[in-house]
Amino acid sequence: GAVVSQHPSRVICKSGTSVKIECRSLDFQATTMFWYRQFPKQSLMLMATSNEGSKATYEQGVEKDKFLINHASLTLSTLTVTSAHPEDSSFYICSARRTSNEQFFGPGTRLTVL
Amino acid sequence: AQTVTQSQPEMSVQEAETVTLSCTYDTSESDYYLFWYKQPPSRQMILVIRQEAYKQQNATENRFSVNFQKAAKSFSLKISDSQLGDAAMYFCAYRSPNTGTASKLTFGTGTRLQVTL
Repeated sequence: GAVVSQHPSRVICKSGTSVKIECRSLDFQATTMFWYRQFPKQSLMLMATSNEGSKATYEQGVEKDKFLINHASLTLSTLTVTSAHPEDSSFYICSARRTSNEQFFGPGTRLTVL
Repeated sequence: AQTVTQSQPEMSVQEAETVTLSCTYDTSESDYYLFWYKQPPSRQMILVIRQEAYKQQNATENRFSVNFQKAAKSFSLKISDSQLGDAAMYFCAYRSPNTGTASKLTFGTGTRLQVTL
């Protein structure tokens, strides 16, 4: 099966700093990538959808200036949490879809903001 | 907008027994995809099974099978011969057949499955 990686797996940062999370499709080219947020014991909430070379489409209620998404290539998307605050602490999951319409998930990144 | 409902927050099954997880959804589309995903304690999302709405035959993957009732908008997951490794959070998901950014997964709230000896 296809592999999607995320880096880092865990990150702790101070309030007010920015954190970048990378999502890579290792053995396929992803036509579309998705970023989700998951709070403890809750479902995955879609934050944004992005296609390579174009601006991301954000879900209602997600601040695009706070959660910057860059889909630089067909194998890499990054999520930058700017000016992080403790309420941004969460589990962030990316997924990548290839042309066959199959969607694969990364292992997630746990962000803790102190 | 499509919605996915999982009415069972928690379920428990004994090892080697069978359990059924419920899922209903609401949509006005006639063609779509339905999925069951498993999220173990590692939190890695794993695709369990997938069903295309235009197919009348219920999907099956080894010990996992679905009961897809299109008219009732129901999509339940049956796990046979349950194993300890089946313990996880299970999410039902819906996806439009459209391509690009319009086609996104809508998840239910999840069912936590416990497997006991």
